[in-house]
Formats: sequence, C-alpha cells, structure tokens
Amino acid sequence: EVQLVESGGGLVQSGRSLRLSCAASGFTFDDYAMHWVRQAPGKGLEWVSGISWNSGNIGYMDSVKGRFTISRDNAKKSLFLQMNSLRADDTALYYCAKSVSLDYTTSCPDYWGQGTLVSVSS
Amino acid sequence: QSALTQPASVSGSPGQSISISCTGTSSDVGSYNSVSWYQQQPGKAPKLMIYEDNKRPSGVSNRFSGSKSGNTASLTISGLQAEDEADYYCYSYAGSNTLIFGGGTKLTVL
Repeated sequence: EVQLVESGGGLVQSGRSLRLSCAASGFTFDDYAMHWVRQAPGKGLEWVSGISWNSGNIGYMDSVKGRFTISRDNAKKSLFLQMNSLRADDTALYYCAKSVSLDYTTSCPDYWGQGTLVSVSS
Repeated sequence: QSALTQPASVSGSPGQSISISCTGTSSDVGSYNSVSWYQQQPGKAPKLMIYEDNKRPSGVSNRFSGSKSGNTASLTISGLQAEDEADYYCYSYAGSNTLIFGGGTKLTVL
C-alpha cells in the first residue's frame, strides 16, 4: 500500500523558513517523480513544485521560484521542500504526491498524503 | 500561470449525467495529452479519477469519463450518485516545466 506522510508544517512568522518532509513507503520511490501541491484554507489546489525520479528535472510555480527548493533522497525514500522568505499567502495545507511515472512533467500525481499545514503570520 | 477555467458549480439529480468543462489555452490543455481530473471530498486528499485526457485508473468507476476538444477538456459523470458530490479539479502540463490546476468545480447532487 502506497503511503505518503508529510511533516514539518507549523506556525511561522513572515520572512522565516520551514522545511517540509515527506516519507514514502509501499512503492519503489526512485521509480517515480514527486510533487508538492498546496491548498489554502477554503481555496482550490495549487501545484507548487515537481521533481523527476533522479532530480534531473525540477520545476516551480512562479510565485515560489527563488524562495522554495524541492529535493529528494532516494536512499531514504524521502521528499523535501525547503521554504524560505515565507509570506502570508503561502499559508496552506501542503500535500506530497507521487507521480504516475519517472518525469513529473509528463505524468500526474496519483497518490497523495494527508498534508501538513503551514501558517504564516504577517 | 493563470488557473485553468472551470465552472464554479454544477448540479444534477441522481441518475442524470453531468459534464464539467476545463478551458485552457493552446499552451497547456490544447498542446499535450495530459489533462487529469481529481475528486476531492471535504477534509480529504484529492483522488485521481482520469489521467492522460481519458484514461481511468484501476478502481475508478466507469461512470467517470474524460474527453478533450481543442483547448477544452471535459469530465462526464453518468448515472449520478449521492457519493459523487465533491469538488472536482482539472490539471494539465502548462509548458516550461510547470503544471497547473483548474479553479475547481463544486458538484451538488440534488
């Protein structure tokens, strides 16, 4: 059974940093791309970042470029999101999601974690 | 990176069929065979319902189907059931190594 467990969320002041983690199990982690997707309270889904199976291809939504960094450790079956210079509009539930295949640009998320909540106070 | 355009809400009675549209541009929806659809129940993580425009993952009811014409993709749910009431989101590759969701559609089963 595929399991994705996010951690690292919390309440932080504007301008500070947080590092999110996602522990994966139940599948061969290094065979798949991964994504971070967020959802602000009462709002829709927003793709944040994606990373291919070998970290060779990485992408970000415009509003987080230069502030967020996605990474993965295939040996530890873990996905990370380093979030710097946090802003109030980064407040959201952050989901870790497994992609259907190796490259995140040509495949969509198929399994999702339950999310970790990030709250940024201004 | 503007969200793909979906109707805010749709409704239907049990047994009926409904469709939800997802309109993008020739740079996203119209360029790639990569529109997906997600169902999100309140307080739950999204569930993949359709991928690559019209493919159904294992375990998803065949009452759900996807199609695409030009820059607009559609999700059709036939034989509407009370359990289908949820938010639905489309998703597409948007070029330049980025992806994008639609704004979401709330489905109400009357």
